[in-house]
Amino acid sequence: DIQMTQSPSSLSASVGDTVTITCRASQDIRNDLGWYQQTPGKAPKRLIYSAFSLQSGVPARFSGGRSGTDFTLTISSLQPDDFATYYCLQHNAYPRTFGQGTRVEFK
Amino acid sequence: QVWLHESGPGLVKPSQTLSLTCTVSGDSINSDDYYWSWIRQHPGKGLEWIGYIYSSGSTYYNPSLESRLTISLDTSKNQFSLRLSSVTAADTAVYYCARDSSDGYSFGLDYWGQGTLVTVSS
Repeated sequence: DIQMTQSPSSLSASVGDTVTITCRASQDIRNDLGWYQQTPGKAPKRLIYSAFSLQSGVPARFSGGRSGTDFTLTISSLQPDDFATYYCLQHNAYPRTFGQGTRVEFK
Repeated sequence: QVWLHESGPGLVKPSQTLSLTCTVSGDSINSDDYYWSWIRQHPGKGLEWIGYIYSSGSTYYNPSLESRLTISLDTSKNQFSLRLSSVTAADTAVYYCARDSSDGYSFGLDYWGQGTLVTVSS
């Protein structure tokens, strides 16, 4: 199975900050990675797919990056609605595997 | 727009079988482009992929659950279902159904149901 190692597990930030979350895959997954946002009591909502592609309707302050097997989600100018938990998911192979999650908290 | 909705008992006794159904609207589960999937989330924890079923009826299960798991299709109702046998308290979780796309435009889990909490308790 492909292991996804996500960091940090949590971070504190303020409105207007730029934050970056990282996922490292245990093997080459090409660009086959998505990022999801989850708020309490809700289903995950996809933000990014195929490493870089912004899901329709998602604000442009969310962006994805890749360097080898390292993937990043960057949120520029953090907004109040962005305080949530974020997960990466590899869609290169089965079984699908998620990162452990990053909670973005208000500083 | 595609909608998925999970339904089933919210409480299951230990050693019994957990059964859930996902009803899909706005898309056909007969499509060759999608894999219909189940994911769960233990309370306060991360996400665990359970398995998928394809339009042909072929399945792929998470090896950690494979011995207890069955995913099936009902094309007449545009539904797919999950059955997990011999449940324990460790199976208490929110269960999500989702569409896993490979249609050339979207890839991965793009549409999700709202989730349903299943508690295993006597």
